[in-house]
Amino acid sequence: LAKTTQPISMDSYEGQEVNITCSHNNIATNDYITWYQQFPSQGPRFIIQGYKTKVTNEVASLFIPADRKSSTLSLPRVSLSDTAVYYCLVGETGTASKLTFGTGTRLQVTL
Amino acid sequence: DAGITQSPRHKVTETGTPVTLRCHQTENHRYMYWYRQDPGHGLRLIHYSYGVKDTDKGEVSDGYSVSRSKTEDFLLTLESATSSQTSVYFCAISDQGFQETQYFGPGTRLLVL
Repeated sequence: LAKTTQPISMDSYEGQEVNITCSHNNIATNDYITWYQQFPSQGPRFIIQGYKTKVTNEVASLFIPADRKSSTLSLPRVSLSDTAVYYCLVGETGTASKLTFGTGTRLQVTL
Repeated sequence: DAGITQSPRHKVTETGTPVTLRCHQTENHRYMYWYRQDPGHGLRLIHYSYGVKDTDKGEVSDGYSVSRSKTEDFLLTLESATSSQTSVYFCAISDQGFQETQYFGPGTRLLVL
């Protein structure tokens, strides 16, 4: 079961780069790693997904080392509006019953 | 935003009463999910569906049942609500499979007294 472990909370100043690491020691061969963002009173929203090495889109980058036992979400130059909870999700092959969200990392961005 | 609605958005009920939550989508996505979110536990999968009348259990399925008679609707039923089922419930959909991007609804806040 590919459980995930993330820091409970992080603080950052506006304009800084933020890196959030997720540990998933039991990741399976066919699993992908997906990150979601959640604002208060809203459902989570997809940020980025990857399988290995590096993935970049317009809002974030995802770094995955060769052993895939962890991954790092990188948010460049955060703003106050990036204050949210960030979830790392690792999917088990073939069945959603093993889908696990971490407890999330609460990111607080201040001036 | 994906066309997902949940009803009701808020509900207060008493222990022992049945409760049904509805998730409705207009995206024609094959997969639908029900999650609950509680402080300290993040999001936990209750049940999911991979097609009409095709459903399966998730991590925390005890005390819940689901039905999907149409592609667009996924119902979550608490047969006899308990205080431990007080939570925020989110519905999600995805198109191709479990690891595809999931789109979440706005949530239903349920309080069981």
